[in-house]
Amino acid sequence: EPEVTQTPSHQVTQMGQEVILRCVPISNHLYFYWYRQILGQKVEFLVSFYNNEISEKSEIFDDQFSVERPDGSNFTLKIRSTKLEDSAMYFCASSQEAGNTEAFFGQGTRLTVV
Amino acid sequence: KNEVEQSPQNLTAQEGEFITINCSYSVGISALHWLQQHPGGGIVSLFMLSSGKKKHGRLIATINIQEKHSSLHITASHPRDSAVYICAVTSNTGNQFYFGTGTSLTVIP
Repeated sequence: EPEVTQTPSHQVTQMGQEVILRCVPISNHLYFYWYRQILGQKVEFLVSFYNNEISEKSEIFDDQFSVERPDGSNFTLKIRSTKLEDSAMYFCASSQEAGNTEAFFGQGTRLTVV
Repeated sequence: KNEVEQSPQNLTAQEGEFITINCSYSVGISALHWLQQHPGGGIVSLFMLSSGKKKHGRLIATINIQEKHSSLHITASHPRDSAVYICAVTSNTGNQFYFGTGTSLTVIP
Protein backbone atom coordinates (compact mmCIF):
# COMPACT_ATOMS: atom_id res chain seq x y z
CA GLU A 1 0.00 0.00 0.00
CA PRO A 2 1.43 3.41 -0.89
CA GLU A 3 2.45 5.58 2.02
CA VAL A 4 3.85 8.97 2.90
CA THR A 5 7.33 8.70 4.38
CA GLN A 6 9.07 11.28 6.52
CA THR A 7 12.70 11.59 7.54
CA PRO A 8 14.20 11.84 10.02
CA SER A 9 11.86 10.37 12.61
CA HIS A 10 13.52 12.44 15.32
CA GLN A 11 15.73 15.51 15.02
CA VAL A 12 17.46 17.37 17.82
CA THR A 13 18.84 20.79 16.97
CA GLN A 14 20.30 23.77 18.76
CA MET A 15 18.31 26.97 18.98
CA GLY A 16 19.09 29.26 16.06
CA GLN A 17 20.06 26.44 13.71
CA GLU A 18 18.32 25.69 10.44
CA VAL A 19 16.51 22.38 10.00
CA ILE A 20 15.04 20.69 6.97
CA LEU A 21 12.31 18.13 7.42
CA ARG A 22 11.78 15.81 4.50
CA CYS A 23 8.71 14.09 3.16
CA VAL A 24 8.09 11.80 0.21
CA PRO A 25 4.40 12.03 -0.68
CA ILE A 26 2.47 9.33 -2.52
CA SER A 27 3.64 9.42 -6.11
CA ASN A 28 0.43 10.35 -7.95
CA HIS A 29 -0.71 12.90 -5.36
CA LEU A 30 -0.79 16.57 -6.27
CA TYR A 31 -1.55 18.34 -2.98
CA PHE A 32 0.87 18.42 -0.09
CA TYR A 33 0.51 19.64 3.46
CA TRP A 34 2.54 20.26 6.59
CA TYR A 35 1.06 20.21 10.08
CA ARG A 36 2.54 20.40 13.52
CA GLN A 37 1.50 19.17 16.94
CA ILE A 38 3.09 20.66 20.02
CA LEU A 39 3.20 18.11 22.83
CA GLY A 40 -0.18 17.89 24.53
CA GLN A 41 -1.88 20.20 22.05
CA LYS A 42 -4.00 19.71 18.97
CA VAL A 43 -2.70 19.29 15.45
CA GLU A 44 -2.32 22.63 13.65
CA PHE A 45 -2.28 23.35 9.95
CA LEU A 46 0.88 25.03 8.65
CA VAL A 47 0.76 25.12 4.86
CA SER A 48 -0.66 23.51 1.74
CA PHE A 49 1.19 23.28 -1.56
CA TYR A 50 0.02 22.65 -5.11
CA ASN A 51 1.55 23.13 -8.53
CA ASN A 52 4.86 24.22 -7.04
CA GLU A 53 3.45 27.00 -4.97
CA ILE A 54 1.83 27.60 -1.62
CA SER A 55 -1.97 27.37 -1.81
CA GLU A 56 -2.76 28.40 1.71
CA LYS A 57 -0.84 29.01 4.91
CA SER A 58 -1.73 29.62 8.52
CA GLU A 59 -0.56 32.50 10.70
CA ILE A 60 1.93 30.09 12.27
CA PHE A 61 3.73 29.80 8.92
CA ASP A 62 5.78 32.99 9.18
CA ASP A 63 8.96 34.07 7.43
CA GLN A 64 11.12 31.55 9.25
CA PHE A 65 9.30 28.71 7.48
CA SER A 66 9.55 27.73 3.84
CA VAL A 67 8.51 24.75 1.75
CA GLU A 68 9.91 23.36 -1.44
CA ARG A 69 9.48 20.48 -3.85
CA PRO A 70 13.08 20.38 -5.06
CA ASP A 71 13.07 17.30 -7.25
CA GLY A 72 9.52 16.19 -8.00
CA SER A 73 9.42 13.57 -5.27
CA ASN A 74 10.57 15.19 -2.03
CA PHE A 75 8.55 17.85 -0.22
CA THR A 76 10.54 19.72 2.39
CA LEU A 77 9.82 22.06 5.28
CA LYS A 78 12.67 24.37 6.25
CA ILE A 79 12.80 26.24 9.52
CA ARG A 80 15.44 28.92 9.17
CA SER A 81 16.36 29.81 12.73
CA THR A 82 14.77 27.42 15.16
CA LYS A 83 13.28 28.56 18.44
CA LEU A 84 12.52 26.51 21.53
CA GLU A 85 8.81 26.80 20.77
CA ASP A 86 9.31 25.11 17.40
CA SER A 87 9.72 21.82 19.28
CA ALA A 88 6.83 19.69 18.05
CA MET A 89 5.84 16.72 15.96
CA TYR A 90 5.68 17.73 12.30
CA PHE A 91 3.40 15.76 10.00
CA CYS A 92 3.42 15.74 6.24
CA ALA A 93 0.34 14.68 4.28
CA SER A 94 -0.63 14.34 0.66
CA SER A 95 -3.83 13.94 -1.32
CA GLN A 96 -4.77 13.37 -4.93
CA GLU A 97 -7.11 16.33 -5.04
CA ALA A 98 -8.07 19.21 -2.78
CA GLY A 99 -11.14 19.05 -0.58
CA ASN A 100 -13.33 16.03 -0.92
CA THR A 101 -10.59 13.44 -0.95
CA GLU A 102 -8.70 11.38 1.56
CA ALA A 103 -5.41 12.68 2.88
CA PHE A 104 -2.59 10.30 3.78
CA PHE A 105 -0.30 11.21 6.65
CA GLY A 106 3.32 10.41 7.29
CA GLN A 107 4.47 9.07 10.64
CA GLY A 108 5.83 12.44 11.67
CA THR A 109 9.19 13.96 12.58
CA ARG A 110 9.70 14.82 16.21
CA LEU A 111 11.72 18.03 16.33
CA THR A 112 13.39 18.94 19.61
CA VAL A 113 15.04 22.35 19.85
CA VAL A 114 17.50 22.70 22.74
CA LYS B 1 -11.67 30.31 18.32
CA ASN B 2 -12.21 26.61 17.66
CA GLU B 3 -13.57 25.80 14.26
CA VAL B 4 -13.94 22.15 15.29
CA GLU B 5 -15.19 20.99 18.68
CA GLN B 6 -15.07 17.40 19.87
CA SER B 7 -16.66 15.68 22.82
CA PRO B 8 -15.88 14.06 25.08
CA GLN B 9 -12.21 14.98 25.55
CA ASN B 10 -11.52 11.77 27.43
CA LEU B 11 -13.44 8.52 27.40
CA THR B 12 -12.90 5.28 29.28
CA ALA B 13 -14.94 2.26 28.28
CA GLN B 14 -15.17 -1.39 29.19
CA GLU B 15 -14.28 -3.86 26.46
CA GLY B 16 -17.35 -4.63 24.36
CA GLU B 17 -19.08 -1.32 24.95
CA PHE B 18 -20.54 0.80 22.16
CA ILE B 19 -18.68 4.10 21.89
CA THR B 20 -19.71 7.41 20.36
CA ILE B 21 -17.47 10.41 19.78
CA ASN B 22 -19.03 13.65 18.59
CA CYS B 23 -17.72 16.45 16.42
CA SER B 24 -19.27 19.83 15.62
CA TYR B 25 -17.83 22.39 13.26
CA SER B 26 -18.56 26.01 12.49
CA VAL B 27 -16.92 26.59 9.10
CA GLY B 28 -17.98 25.72 5.58
CA ILE B 29 -16.41 22.44 4.63
CA SER B 30 -15.84 20.26 1.63
CA ALA B 31 -15.17 17.15 3.71
CA LEU B 32 -14.83 15.86 7.25
CA HIS B 33 -12.14 13.41 8.33
CA TRP B 34 -11.87 11.09 11.27
CA LEU B 35 -8.26 10.31 12.18
CA GLN B 36 -6.69 7.97 14.69
CA GLN B 37 -3.48 8.79 16.53
CA HIS B 38 -1.70 6.10 18.51
CA PRO B 39 0.67 6.77 21.44
CA GLY B 40 3.67 6.65 19.09
CA GLY B 41 2.23 9.75 17.41
CA GLY B 42 1.50 8.50 13.90
CA ILE B 43 -1.80 9.56 12.34
CA VAL B 44 -4.00 7.23 10.33
CA SER B 45 -6.99 8.35 8.30
CA LEU B 46 -10.11 6.35 9.22
CA PHE B 47 -12.83 8.04 7.20
CA MET B 48 -13.41 10.89 4.84
CA LEU B 49 -17.06 11.99 4.63
CA SER B 50 -18.95 14.63 2.75
CA SER B 51 -22.43 13.22 3.37
CA GLY B 52 -24.31 10.31 4.90
CA LYS B 53 -22.63 7.40 6.56
CA LYS B 54 -19.62 5.13 6.10
CA LYS B 55 -18.78 1.82 7.76
CA HIS B 56 -15.48 0.02 8.01
CA GLY B 57 -15.43 -3.06 10.19
CA ARG B 58 -16.53 -2.05 13.68
CA LEU B 59 -16.27 1.65 12.90
CA ILE B 60 -19.16 3.76 11.65
CA ALA B 61 -19.01 7.47 10.81
CA THR B 62 -21.99 9.70 10.11
CA ILE B 63 -22.31 13.31 9.13
CA ASN B 64 -25.22 15.74 9.15
CA ILE B 65 -24.29 18.66 6.91
CA GLN B 66 -27.28 20.80 7.90
CA GLU B 67 -26.48 20.47 11.59
CA LYS B 68 -22.69 20.64 11.03
CA HIS B 69 -22.21 17.56 13.14
CA SER B 70 -20.53 14.20 12.79
CA SER B 71 -20.27 11.14 15.00
CA LEU B 72 -17.80 8.27 15.11
CA HIS B 73 -19.13 5.05 16.55
CA ILE B 74 -17.14 2.00 17.60
CA THR B 75 -19.11 -1.19 18.13
CA ALA B 76 -17.83 -4.00 20.40
CA SER B 77 -14.88 -1.91 21.55
CA HIS B 78 -11.54 -3.59 22.16
CA PRO B 79 -8.41 -2.51 24.06
CA ARG B 80 -6.57 -2.11 20.74
CA ASP B 81 -9.05 0.69 19.91
CA SER B 82 -7.36 2.77 22.61
CA ALA B 83 -6.03 5.86 20.86
CA VAL B 84 -6.76 9.53 20.30
CA TYR B 85 -9.51 10.09 17.73
CA ILE B 86 -9.33 13.39 15.90
CA CYS B 87 -12.01 15.09 13.85
CA ALA B 88 -10.74 17.37 11.11
CA VAL B 89 -12.51 19.32 8.40
CA THR B 90 -11.29 20.48 5.02
CA SER B 91 -12.17 24.08 4.28
CA ASN B 92 -14.36 25.06 1.34
CA THR B 93 -11.26 25.96 -0.64
CA GLY B 94 -9.97 22.47 0.03
CA ASN B 95 -6.57 23.82 0.95
CA GLN B 96 -6.73 23.95 4.71
CA PHE B 97 -7.54 21.52 7.49
CA TYR B 98 -9.02 22.52 10.84
CA PHE B 99 -8.49 20.00 13.62
CA GLY B 100 -10.40 19.20 16.77
CA THR B 101 -8.52 18.72 20.02
CA GLY B 102 -9.05 14.98 19.90
CA THR B 103 -10.81 12.44 22.10
CA SER B 104 -8.56 10.18 24.12
CA LEU B 105 -10.18 6.74 24.28
CA THR B 106 -9.09 4.04 26.70
CA VAL B 107 -10.77 0.64 26.46
CA ILE B 108 -10.26 -1.52 29.54
CA PRO B 109 -10.23 -5.31 29.22
